[in-house]
Amino acid sequence: GNSVTQMEGPVTLSEEAFLTINCTYTATGYPSLFWYVQYPGEGLQLLLKATKADDKGSNKGFEATYRKETTSFHLEKGSVQVSDSAVYFCALDDYKLSFGAGTTVTVRA
Amino acid sequence: DAGVIQSPRHEVTEMGQEVTLRCKPISGHNSLFWYRQTMMRGLELLIYFNNNVPIDDSGMPEDRFSAKMPNASFSTLKIQPSEPRDSAVYFCASSPGAGGAAGYTFGSGTRLTVV
Repeated sequence: GNSVTQMEGPVTLSEEAFLTINCTYTATGYPSLFWYVQYPGEGLQLLLKATKADDKGSNKGFEATYRKETTSFHLEKGSVQVSDSAVYFCALDDYKLSFGAGTTVTVRA
Repeated sequence: DAGVIQSPRHEVTEMGQEVTLRCKPISGHNSLFWYRQTMMRGLELLIYFNNNVPIDDSGMPEDRFSAKMPNASFSTLKIQPSEPRDSAVYFCASSPGAGGAAGYTFGSGTRLTVV
């Protein structure tokens, strides 16, 4: 079946550091791919999405490119802030969302 | 739009009691999903509905769990009898259609504690 594997955390960074969270997927066909973010004590919010190969999703300084050749959708941000501290989930859509395990990111001032 | 609305936000109950979680999806969304989040298992899909009809309930843990969607604006997830291992955060999400290009919107969740 379709599945998502994402980089295990936790990840601790200093402010203004570069962030990468790896995500790879296994799927038949070309499903839509998502990154969701969960701030402490809150629900999941859509961060960005890509619906076809080579699409780049972007939002709030975060980017991810749908790579069919490497079946990947890695999340990147060039300069993180303390407010980016959260849990990040990679997800794949096959008429329902299948989530990765989540990566906890902590940004220190 | 107020988004996906879940109630209650927190529920503490004793083992053996019945628990009912509620969800109001975004108006016009015809797909609804129930997820459970735990530290050990992450986010698991329990069941999803399309046009009020259950499509896939393979994630429902056991017969103690049941879900209904009597109309397009309301769904319930019931646990009877509840057990301590059911303690988790339960999320409801809705989507405009089958398939994710249109996106999924999540509620704030219900944190269930069974003691």
